[in-house]
Amino acid sequence: EDQVTQSPEALRLQEGESSSLNCSYTVSGLRGLFWYRQDPGKGPEFLFTLYSAGEEKEKERLKATLTKKESFLHITAPKPEDSATYLCAVQALGGTSYGKLTFGQGTILTVHP
Amino acid sequence: DVKVTQSSRYLVKRTGEKVFLECVQDMDHENMFWYRQDPGLGLRLIYFSYDVKMKEKGDIPEGYSVSREKKERFSLILESASTNQTSMYLCASSFAGLMGYNEQFFGPGTRLTVL
Repeated sequence: EDQVTQSPEALRLQEGESSSLNCSYTVSGLRGLFWYRQDPGKGPEFLFTLYSAGEEKEKERLKATLTKKESFLHITAPKPEDSATYLCAVQALGGTSYGKLTFGQGTILTVHP
Repeated sequence: DVKVTQSSRYLVKRTGEKVFLECVQDMDHENMFWYRQDPGLGLRLIYFSYDVKMKEKGDIPEGYSVSREKKERFSLILESASTNQTSMYLCASSFAGLMGYNEQFFGPGTRLTVL
């Protein structure tokens, strides 16, 4: 069974204090790993897709990296508007569930001014 | 930009009522999904559809059914609402692509309360 574990559950940072969120996954074969941002009361907003170990993607203050067992979301010099829940999801190769994503529980990020 | 819309942001229903949640996407995506999101349980897949009139059960299909009569529209039906179906319901869509998958884009969600 595919599993995704995110850590920490919650992270509080001061504005400008860089840090990383972790997503560990267990999957028979990885088709893709996805990062989303979710604001309270809203639907998840797509951030990145990573397909293979060693791949990196960047968007503003966010950088996502991927290894064979985990992914990191690095946040450089965060601002209060980066406060949100960050979700990680994986899609496995094969199987009968077409396009199914398995989500982690998320990391709640709070950035204080 | 991909746009996924859901028929209601907030909905209050009574136990035993039949409930319809509708989702529309405007990007000609083949795949559409219904999730529910609950504190401590994360996002769980209820049903998905990879083509018109085609559907597959997700992880928690009990108590739900779906309908996809047109490519852009995917409906979630609660035949007889129960209090344990109080939740945030999220619709998503994705382009099938050459690999048969792609990132999913989500709607704003419907907060359903069953009394």
